[in-house]
Amino acid sequence: ETGVTQSPTHLIKTRGQQVTLRCSSQSGHNTVSWYQQALGQGPQFIFQYYREEENGRGNFPPRFSGLQFPNYSSELNVNALELDDSALYLCASSLWGAVLEQFFGPGTRLTVL
Amino acid sequence: EDQVTQSPEALRLQEGESSSLNCSYTVSGLRGLFWYRQDPGKGPEFLFTLYSAGEEKEKERLKATLTKKESFLHITAPKPEDSATYLCAAPMDSNYQLIWGAGTKLIIKP
Repeated sequence: ETGVTQSPTHLIKTRGQQVTLRCSSQSGHNTVSWYQQALGQGPQFIFQYYREEENGRGNFPPRFSGLQFPNYSSELNVNALELDDSALYLCASSLWGAVLEQFFGPGTRLTVL
Repeated sequence: EDQVTQSPEALRLQEGESSSLNCSYTVSGLRGLFWYRQDPGKGPEFLFTLYSAGEEKEKERLKATLTKKESFLHITAPKPEDSATYLCAAPMDSNYQLIWGAGTKLIIKP
């Protein structure tokens, strides 16, 4: 069984740039959720994808967008990067119906300068 | 307002010194309370799900319990490898969004 993988591991960008983060879900999982985790804080829900559609969204602006592909992998895109976007971005996969038992990838550490 | 609060923020113990971490929640119609372990720079690792008051679950030196207002993560005779941040989370009414506590950073000294 393959776990959740994310790429890249680390990323450095400058203000105003755009970034794409990638996630491959655990084998057999059809639901992907994205979270932002600032240092010393718990994860904050960004959005969730199921059957290639956004299934719910947290309190994040439209410049945070995503995609889910037929193989259930997913992308998180962030436009017009701001300094406060610096954080660990986590992807979690789950089975719809057991959506609350989520399994996380190792995260992507994004630094915005 | 739905909220999850963890205490203490940090806990330093000697190896073998048992203690408990607290997670209090104000979520209407609780449909699960989740505990995760997170090592520095890594994603959270799923530990337990508790669904009803009185429920208990154990894994090695960890035991999680749930009441109507809070959950405890008891750690018995901890070892240095138990050092990590322990997070709890509960689902909002929407059923897909988890609210997370800020975590308790546990440090076990040999």
